Amino acid sequence: DQQVKQNSPSLSVQEGRISILNCDYTNSMFDYFLWYKKYPAEGPTFLISISSIKDKNEDGRFTVFLNKSAKHLSLHIVPSQPGDSAVYFCAASASSNTGKLIFGQGTTLQVKP
Amino acid sequence: GAGVSQSPRYKVAKRGQDVALRCDPISGHVSLFWYQQALGQGPEFLTYFQNEAQLDKSGLPSDRFFAERPEGSVSTLKIQRTQQEDSAVYLCASSFSPFGTEAFFGQGTRLTVV
Repeated sequence: DQQVKQNSPSLSVQEGRISILNCDYTNSMFDYFLWYKKYPAEGPTFLISISSIKDKNEDGRFTVFLNKSAKHLSLHIVPSQPGDSAVYFCAASASSNTGKLIFGQGTTLQVKP
Repeated sequence: GAGVSQSPRYKVAKRGQDVALRCDPISGHVSLFWYQQALGQGPEFLTYFQNEAQLDKSGLPSDRFFAERPEGSVSTLKIQRTQQEDSAVYLCASSFSPFGTEAFFGQGTRLTVV
């Protein structure tokens, strides 16, 4: 039972354009959501997070949107840069549940120069 | 060190061999997590420590998997009688928060069982 789903395995975007990565979840107990970025042969690196009490969080070029009624979140990267090319993981946690993260399968983003 | 350190980076084990994977978390971090990442998948939770207490081991796939953090700092994940399906990257993460939010990950140990 996949509680966090990233339905697009890959995404290709032109440099300077917007990248939109999507994530859906099924567990209504999740109240904290995170995005991690992963380069080959490295561990995931924390990118941005959002609490369920918010619907938007912005950090520089990265913005995460949360739609609780649809159980959907998205990560927007504007403008996209070639260095953003990586695998992006969506993760969710429930504060009632030790903070362990439930990850999606990942989306590979390629930003073309 | 500045980040989470895992050793070894790569481990090849013969089927049936026991292995031990080490994690040095960021100094002072209360929470420590182990995850297993199969090829092409997201990390999957194995176990969680708050200081030296193992509060959640619900993700350990079998009783061949054992984790410890005896002094609330370094942790070891031990896999006994390794099987081919144990081949994966094992990731360790630590967080200053008891709830583990915004955990910092190590580079992982890639285990290959032959």
